[in-house]
Amino acid sequence: DAKTTQPNSMESNEEEPVHLPCNHSTISGTDYIHWYRQLPSQGPEYVIHGLTSNVNNRMASLAIAEDRKSSTLILHRATLRDAAVYYCILRDRQGGSEKLVFGKGTKLTVNP
Amino acid sequence: GAVVSQHPSRVICKSGTSVKIECRSLDFQATTMFWYRQFPKQSLMLMATSNEGSKATYEQGVEKDKFLINHASLTLSTLTVTSAHPEDSSFYICSASIPGNQPQHFGDGTRLSIL
Repeated sequence: DAKTTQPNSMESNEEEPVHLPCNHSTISGTDYIHWYRQLPSQGPEYVIHGLTSNVNNRMASLAIAEDRKSSTLILHRATLRDAAVYYCILRDRQGGSEKLVFGKGTKLTVNP
Repeated sequence: GAVVSQHPSRVICKSGTSVKIECRSLDFQATTMFWYRQFPKQSLMLMATSNEGSKATYEQGVEKDKFLINHASLTLSTLTVTSAHPEDSSFYICSASIPGNQPQHFGDGTRLSIL
């Protein structure tokens, strides 16, 4: 499985932007970059995904490096409800499988 | 949006009991569902891939006779932890997705505590 590297933790202040980095230097040409987050005592929640171009949705933006070896999840204005563990995952499509392999993720703390 | 419902949300039972956890896709058909386990302060670990109408595919190190998976319909997969022991206490989470490069939708998890 292609792996990702994320900082263990990050901290932000409420209403400020947050940039969560992810390195994936062994990404293959057909791997999509997915981001999920997990709030305490809940199942993960889909945030965003992309292949090559930057992506925006109502939750966040995803900026993908030109060589695709890294990406950044951007929360434009952090709220207390954004405090969670954020996982950057390369979608494993080997043999047609669509399983997700979770790493340790980044624990985001949002200060009021 | 697509919703996955997981039941029960919490189970506390005695050692040796078998526990069944249900995972339902509420508004879409899921030919594939996934089962994860998460220990405190750790990440999710994929246990198995549940395929509708066929046998589940287990990850390395996961005992298929211990964790029985049944995916009898396109909207329901069940995980049965047989003869559970305290070391099986964990947070079990299921997910499902529509085929193709679609996001996975997760249940809210089942916290299993074996006394």
